[in-house]
Amino acid sequence: DTAVSQTPKYLVTQMGNDKSIKCEQNLGHDTMYWYKQDSKKFLKIMFSYNNKELIINETVPNRFSPKSPDKAHLNLHINSLELGDSAVYFCASSRPGLGETQYFGPGTRLLVL
Amino acid sequence: QKEVEQNSGPLSVPEGAIASLNCTYSDRGSQSFFWYRQYSGKSPELIMFIYSNGDKEDGRFTAQLNKASQYVSLLIRDSQPSDSATYLCAAVNQAGTALIFGKGTTLSVSS
Repeated sequence: DTAVSQTPKYLVTQMGNDKSIKCEQNLGHDTMYWYKQDSKKFLKIMFSYNNKELIINETVPNRFSPKSPDKAHLNLHINSLELGDSAVYFCASSRPGLGETQYFGPGTRLLVL
Repeated sequence: QKEVEQNSGPLSVPEGAIASLNCTYSDRGSQSFFWYRQYSGKSPELIMFIYSNGDKEDGRFTAQLNKASQYVSLLIRDSQPSDSATYLCAAVNQAGTALIFGKGTTLSVSS
């Protein structure tokens, strides 16, 4: 069974559209994350979230919003997509605390045309 | 802006050699450090973590931490072609609110 799964694997869309990426983990972890990896392979945290607290990287535009229907899911919703949003988006999960090992999903490759 | 710096490489070593990957960090309050490996087109996976000054060994991998110099390294002994990947160094910031990744060093092991 896949520990952290994401859908879709690939997403091609037009500028201005709204899209969502889903993430599910079956590890029983309390904390989930979204990362963006750009074309230069730079991996940057966007959000960390548990059932108590959302921590947002201040550089993330408010067009991006995480939504968590339950502890095992953290979806990423993006409004008004821009060309610069093209990247690979990784979901990850861990036990509480950033000192814990993070387990990454396979990534969603987003291309905005 | 707290940063983690790595030489992007590529670092090329022959099979069987020792590969040495280096990382420096700017947040003096960082306490936890991680090395992740990322194969092309795949997601990062944890190789090692280190919290204390000194060396930590796990199989062919040794992580080294020097907090005074704000320096972390990863040594890979008996390098194999399957070790060819990008190695990401990461540090938890002092506030404990974010895991900061370096840009990664690409390692190429030739047979």
